[in-house]
Amino acid sequence: KNQVEQSPQSLIILEGKNCTLQCNYTVSPFSNLRWYKQDTGRGPVSLTIMTFSENTKSNGRYTATLDADTKQSSLHITASQLSDSASYICVVSAPNDMRFGAGTRLTVKP
Amino acid sequence: GAVVSQHPSRVICKSGTSVKIECRSLDFQATTMFWYRQFPKQSLMLMATSNEGSKATYEQGVEKDKFLINHASLTLSTLTVTSAHPEDSSFYICSASPGSGKNYEQYFGPGTRLTVT
Repeated sequence: KNQVEQSPQSLIILEGKNCTLQCNYTVSPFSNLRWYKQDTGRGPVSLTIMTFSENTKSNGRYTATLDADTKQSSLHITASQLSDSASYICVVSAPNDMRFGAGTRLTVKP
Repeated sequence: GAVVSQHPSRVICKSGTSVKIECRSLDFQATTMFWYRQFPKQSLMLMATSNEGSKATYEQGVEKDKFLINHASLTLSTLTVTSAHPEDSSFYICSASPGSGKNYEQYFGPGTRLTVT
């Protein structure tokens, strides 16, 4: 059973709209949670990294939240742009382990 | 900062030959480098973790004699796919980390598309 579950699997939104991606995990003990953006045919690029004590972190139009009690994280994208079309991957780390979510494929249409 | 390069970006080889992929950290020293493979529409799958000057640690199910990893310096790691077969065709991605362990930030390379004919 994958210890990091992402939802939805895929999402289509119109340009300018907001969206929220979810990441639930069971990895324990917890070190940090990272969100990456991966364009097709490219390597992932880091968006945010959050530790246990952080509830929210922003990077431009991207805002990640973390609830370590419920083991849930979300990535909110504001005012989406066509260039936001990509896969978004949630990675949760323990002190010597890391687990990848399957990713959410986001398509932004004009 | 934190730029990681991979070479080549694309390679096509014949079945039975070996292919070497390089991963370089351009502006920082990478204590740890990771190698992943990714099949279409799937997430990254960790193949192995390497530390400079020591043997790589392979994930379960990954053949160490088929996927040779060398981490010769703090800025260079290589992955050699030996006796490649069509089922080895995949997207191979490396990442580099200035820290030791899997819970540090990783910086990913742009990936190498391997096609075995």
